[in-house]
Order: sequence, then structure tokens, then C-alpha cells
Amino acid sequence: ETGVTQSPTHLIKTRGQQVTLRCSSQSGHNTVSWYQQALGQGPQFIFQYYREEENGRGNFPPRFSGLQFPNYSSELNVNALELDDSALYLCASSLGGAGEQFFGPGTRLTVL
Amino acid sequence: AQSVTQPDIHITVSEGASLELRCNYSYGATPYLFWYVQSPGQGLQLLLKYFSGDTLVQGIKGFEAEFKRSQSSFNLRKPSVHWSDAAEYFCAVGLGRGGATNKLIFGTGTLLAVQP
Repeated sequence: ETGVTQSPTHLIKTRGQQVTLRCSSQSGHNTVSWYQQALGQGPQFIFQYYREEENGRGNFPPRFSGLQFPNYSSELNVNALELDDSALYLCASSLGGAGEQFFGPGTRLTVL
Repeated sequence: AQSVTQPDIHITVSEGASLELRCNYSYGATPYLFWYVQSPGQGLQLLLKYFSGDTLVQGIKGFEAEFKRSQSSFNLRKPSVHWSDAAEYFCAVGLGRGGATNKLIFGTGTLLAVQP
């Protein structure tokens, strides 16, 4: 059984640029949730995708957007990057929106 | 609004000593409760969870937690800490029952250091 994988591991961007982060869900899971973890903080919920549709969103601006594909993998897109977007971005997959979430290792984004 | 408080930012214990990490939550209904552990450079690993039933739950790596409704607490315990337990620990509340969005609300974490 393959766990949750994320790519890339690390990424450096400059302010104003756009970034795409990728997540492959665990085998058999149909739901992906994204979290942002700033340094010294707990993860904060960005949004969740269930069967290719957004299924809940946290308090993040519209420049944070996502996609889920038919194979249940997912992308997180962030436009017009700001310095405060520097964080560890975690992806979690689950079976259904209320299922136990299994986390990937994260993508470390640095915005200069 | 729902929230999770972990009052201890940093705790140091000696190897072999007992451990208790505190967690308090604010939520209108009976919540789903979780404890996760994060090692440096790693994602989050689930230690244990409480959904309903017995208020003392057992998890992996010898951890247990007790749900106390009257105190809105879900403290994590381990009777004897190992050096490999050094990591950051997060308490979380899961929102949404019956198939609704299971958004997790996390506390700010407790960083555990283990002295030899």
C-alpha cells in the first residue's frame, strides 16, 4: 500500500510568482485535504476535495485554489505569492470527508 | 468558534520518566479528538483518536489519552518516555460528522525534548 506522497519536497519562489504543489493520495482514498503550517504553528486547514469537487474551505483568500483529478491526486495552486505564504504545505488523504486523514511529508515553500 | 489550546510550548523530560501533554478544546458538540506527532522534516503521524465510547483511548508507541468532557480536555500520557519520543505533538479537533467536511483544527503544538 502506497502512502501519501507530495512533490516537490522544497521550493523557492519570489514574491508575486505562482506555484503549484502536488499530492498523490493513498491507495483507495477519494478525499484530499490541504493544510498550511507556518513555522512554530499548527497546521491550518486550506480546503478539501472529495470526488473532484471542493468540499469545504478554510479562511484562505481565493488566490489559493485547488484541483482533484479522476485518480484522486490533487494540486494546490497559489497565485501572487506573498512572503507570509512561506510555510510547510501538508496534504492528507482519507476515505470520505469524515475519514481518518493520513498525511504526506509536506512541501516546504520559501517565498523571497 | 472552535479552537484547540496546548498550554505547554516546550517540555523537557528525562528518559524513563512519565509524560503528560495537555490539550483543551472549545467545541459546541462532542468532538472527534486526535493526537498527532511530527518529527523534524516529516509529516504528521496519528498517535490516537477519540470518536465516542470509552474515554480512555490507547494509541501507538505506548501512548494513551483521556477525554474529559467536564474539563474539555484530551491530555496525552505515556508512563515511560524513550529518547525516540522527542518530537512535536499536536492535538486536533475534527469537525463534521456523518460525512460532512472533516476539517481538523490543530493546536500550536508542544515540543518534547528528552534528556538522557
